[in-house]
Amino acid sequence: EPEVTQTPSHQVTQMGQEVILRCVPISNHLYFYWYRQILGQKVEFLVSFYNNEISEKSEIFDDQFSVERPDGSNFTLKIRSTKLEDSAMYFCASSDDAPLHFGNGTRLTVT
Amino acid sequence: DQQVKQNSPSLSVQEGRISILNCDYTNSMFDYFLWYKKYPAEGPTFLISISSIKDKNEDGRFTVFLNKSAKHLSLHIVPSQPGDSAVYFCAASEYTGTYKYIFGTGTRLKVLA
Repeated sequence: EPEVTQTPSHQVTQMGQEVILRCVPISNHLYFYWYRQILGQKVEFLVSFYNNEISEKSEIFDDQFSVERPDGSNFTLKIRSTKLEDSAMYFCASSDDAPLHFGNGTRLTVT
Repeated sequence: DQQVKQNSPSLSVQEGRISILNCDYTNSMFDYFLWYKKYPAEGPTFLISISSIKDKNEDGRFTVFLNKSAKHLSLHIVPSQPGDSAVYFCAASEYTGTYKYIFGTGTRLKVLA
């Protein structure tokens, strides 16, 4: 069964550094999403992306965050200057309809 | 701003019995609801969905019930199996061109053998 893949599985970075989290959505899907889950908390919506542009974003998704679909297969989340509170599991998801299909996440640790 | 709530953080059930997981929401504009299962170190796995035009959807051992007037949905698993032990999230969205799902805080289900 097709699946969403995310790399790396774990990323450690220093505060203030830029990180790029990568995702390969399921190939025929048209809608792409990023969610995050801070340890012990709920899964939170960050951004949705369709037709090469952001459809919707949450208040968490500020100017430090950006998304891109650079080559028709990858979908990336960039955090320009990481903060300690950005430490979380970041999940990419894709869909061709209502149910979202999630990857296994990237654990981002900001030190 | 807890638009989607799962008030039971944990639930233990004997193998073979029914598991009932509950979810409440506040936004009457939500028109699509999902249940996900999540194991540690994995992403959420889609289980079952229901749209607001229905009040029940069934898929094998899993049934979701929607009570729009009470803004309440529930997931029934019967019979429960030890492999069902996981954290279960409900999620709700209003369709606005895309789906922006709001997740509940999750219920940890433990099925005892």
